[in-house]
Formats: sequence, C-alpha cells, structure tokens
Amino acid sequence: KAGVTQTPRYLIKTRGQQVTLSCSPISGHRSVSWYQQTPGQGLQFLFEYFSETQRNKGNFPGRFSGRQFSNSRSEMNVSTLELGDSALYLCASSPETDTQYFGPGTRLTVL
Amino acid sequence: GENVEQHPSTLSVQEGDSAVIKCTYSDSASNYFPWYKQELGKGPQLIIDIRSNVGEKKDQRIAVTLNKTAKHFSLHITETQPEDSAVYFCAASVTGNQFYFGTGTSLTVIP
Repeated sequence: KAGVTQTPRYLIKTRGQQVTLSCSPISGHRSVSWYQQTPGQGLQFLFEYFSETQRNKGNFPGRFSGRQFSNSRSEMNVSTLELGDSALYLCASSPETDTQYFGPGTRLTVL
Repeated sequence: GENVEQHPSTLSVQEGDSAVIKCTYSDSASNYFPWYKQELGKGPQLIIDIRSNVGEKKDQRIAVTLNKTAKHFSLHITETQPEDSAVYFCAASVTGNQFYFGTGTSLTVIP
C-alpha cells in the first residue's frame, strides 16, 4: 500500500501571502490530521478531518484552515503568512482505529 | 487538555547498550500511547504502540511499558544499533480525539 503523500515537499513564501498544502492519505483511511512541527514547539495539532467533517481542532488562529474531499484527500490553507509560520507541516492518516501514519511533510519557509 | 512530558531530551548510548525513554501524561482518560521515530528529513514513523488495557508490549528489540496508576509509559530499545539514532516522540490520546506529543528525545548510538 502506498503511504501518505504530501505536496509540495518544499515551499518558500513571503509574509502576507497565502499557501495551500495537500495531503493524500493511505487508501481506505478516512481520517486526516494536520500538525505543525517547529524546533521550539515540537509537534502541535492543527485539526483533524473525518469523512469531510472537521472532528477536532487545535489552538491555532483562524488563518489556519483545512478541508477534506470525498476521496479523503485533504488540504490545509494558511492565509496572511507570518515569519513564525515557518515550519514542517505534517499530515497523518488513520483508519477506523487510533493509529496514525505520517507523511514526509511539507517544509514551509516564510521570508 | 492533556500534557505529555518526555525525558531525557538527549540520550547517547554505546552500540549494543540499552536505551530507555520515559513519558508521563496528565489525563487519566488517555487510552492510546504510540511511539514514533523521526529521522532527519522524514516524517515520524510509528514503531510501537500500546493501549491502556495492556501493561507491556514487545516487538523484537523494542518494548513499551505502561503504568496507568502512575500515568507513565516508557520505550525500551535493547542491543542498540547506529541506525537507531533518531528523534523519538511519545504521544497520548483518548480514542477519537487529538494526539498530544512529547517534546522528543534525540538518541545517538555511538559505534
């Protein structure tokens, strides 16, 4: 089975721009979670989607949003980028159980 | 919400020795405890997990123990090899809810 894929792998943006990241879960997995990973804050939960509905949400500002499509693929969007948004954004997919499988991440750099 | 603490933050061992990483959690409702290994430039990889109805689980050189009363769980790696060098994360969750991650342990295995 193919693993979780994320595109793009690397992205450079400037402050004030917006960005959309994409995640394709493992086939058959209906849950997709997004995390932000930074050296200072570690792995922080952004949100989780299950069957196209946001099921859980972390403590991030409204500039961070997401959605899930009927084929379980998910996108997250960050508007009005700030320097502090520079991070590795990880997507994890999960079947009906708790187990989460991570993708390789998208490295976002905000200049 | 849940708070997961992980120790130590860095760990160096000689090849062949054992390594132990410990985590504590605060929410007694947490019932799922995975461990992830993250190598440079990659996403976290699930290496072992344990549920609250089990006290210990082993997979070859890796074992996890859970003490629900004390709210702590530990990762044990025996006969360490250089390829075990990576950052290890523990996590805790309540079924259907978000994961809370520890801050990571950078393990170095010295040949």
